[in-house]
Amino acid sequence: NAGVMQNPRHLVRRRGQEARLRCSPMKGHSHVYWYRQLPEEGLKFMVYLQKENIIDESGMPKERFSAEFPKEGPSILRIQQVVRGDSAAYFCASSPRDLGEKLFFGSGTQLSVL
Amino acid sequence: GENVEQHPSTLSVQEGDSAVIKCTYSDSASNYFPWYKQELGKRPQLIIDIRSNVGEKKDQRIAVTLNKTAKHFSLHITETQPEDSAVYFCAAILTQGGSEKLVFGKGTKLTVNP
Repeated sequence: NAGVMQNPRHLVRRRGQEARLRCSPMKGHSHVYWYRQLPEEGLKFMVYLQKENIIDESGMPKERFSAEFPKEGPSILRIQQVVRGDSAAYFCASSPRDLGEKLFFGSGTQLSVL
Repeated sequence: GENVEQHPSTLSVQEGDSAVIKCTYSDSASNYFPWYKQELGKRPQLIIDIRSNVGEKKDQRIAVTLNKTAKHFSLHITETQPEDSAVYFCAAILTQGGSEKLVFGKGTKLTVNP
């Protein structure tokens, strides 16, 4: 049973470009969470999605950031017109129906904006 | 609020000693408290968790205690080994607007000196 899969592992973008980060949850998991981690800091909640639904996007910046989890395929975190301050590690996590069980993280995507 | 405070931010111990990391939370409705270990450049990995209906849980050299009245919980690592060196994050579930999400502390960098 494969774990949470994220790709790419590393992504380099120039200012103004778009970044697309992908996450495939563990088999059987229907809940996906995205977190951002800055160097030497903790994990900041961004968005919580279920299939075809955004449940909670309270941690996501209002502009340039969007997320989706379509019926088929991985969850996508999209950052438009990236700026240097977007450089961070972006982790995706999935859980089964009940969050009270376990939250499993992917290996993360390290985004570097030049 | 949705704060999880974690102390200390850094902790250095000698191999064989015990290490204790403490967290407090603000949401009295929180009922699930996991701990994650993150090695440099790796994903956060769940090492132990506790629910609000128990006060203590042990797994070999790791234990977690919970005081719901005081809203704090702690991670105890006994007989520390160099491979325990990592950043440890506590978290608490926050229920808000019908959705649940994990809110993390800022982490404790544990160094175990041989």
